[in-house]
Amino acid sequence: AQTVTQSQPEMSVQEAETVTLSCTYDTSESDYYLFWYKQPPSRQMILVIRQEAYKQQNATENRFSVNFQKAAKSFSLKISDSQLGDAAMYFCAYGAGSYQLTFGKGTKLSVIP
Amino acid sequence: DTEVTQTPKHLVMGMTNKKSLKCEQHMGHRAMYWYKQKAKKPPELMFVYSYEKLSINESVPSRFSPECPNSSLLNLHLHALQPEDSALYLCASSQEGDRLPETQYFGPGTRLLVL
Repeated sequence: AQTVTQSQPEMSVQEAETVTLSCTYDTSESDYYLFWYKQPPSRQMILVIRQEAYKQQNATENRFSVNFQKAAKSFSLKISDSQLGDAAMYFCAYGAGSYQLTFGKGTKLSVIP
Repeated sequence: DTEVTQTPKHLVMGMTNKKSLKCEQHMGHRAMYWYKQKAKKPPELMFVYSYEKLSINESVPSRFSPECPNSSLLNLHLHALQPEDSALYLCASSQEGDRLPETQYFGPGTRLLVL
C-alpha cells in the first residue's frame, strides 16, 4: 500500500526567509503524481504545486518549488521569501491511476513577522 | 474560474435532523468528490462521482447519502447523524482524463456540528 510521510508536524520560518517541508512516500508504481496542498485557517485546500513522476524537471510555481528525488522517493517543498499568508497546514499527497489521493499527516507552518 | 462553492459554511444539527450539504462547480469538471476532515487530520475520501454516476463509496455509513443531480452539482444528504460525525466536509472536483489522478480543486468546506 502507498504511504506518505511528513516527518515534521510543525515548522516555523521568519518572514522573507526560506523554508523546506519534507515528504517521503512509498510506492511500487513507476507512474504517479505528487501534490502539495495548503490549508490555511480559512479551511480551503489550495493546490500549491503538482509533479508528474515521469518528469525529471522539478516543478515550480512562483515562490514555491519542489525537490523531487524519484529514486529516494522524496518530494520536498521549498518556500522562498516566506510571507505571512504562507502560514497554513501543508499536506503532501500521492496518486496513481485512480481518483484516490493518499495524504500525509500534514505540516503546520508558522511564519514569524 | 477555478472555484468550487459549498453551502452552508456552518451547520449545527441534532441527531434526528435531516439536512443537506451542497456543492457547485462551473469548471466543466466531470468528477466530483466528498471528503470528511477531522481537526488536524488530512481529508478522508467518502464518495466520488464520475459523469454523474457514483464511482467510489469508501464504506461510508448509510446515514450519509450522496446525490449528483447534474454535472455541476453535488449534494450530501445527512440523516440520523452521530456526534462523531462532526467534522469539516470538503467538496472537490476535477477533470476526467486518461491519466488519473487529475488535480482536485477543493471548496471552502462546511463545518458540521452534530449535537
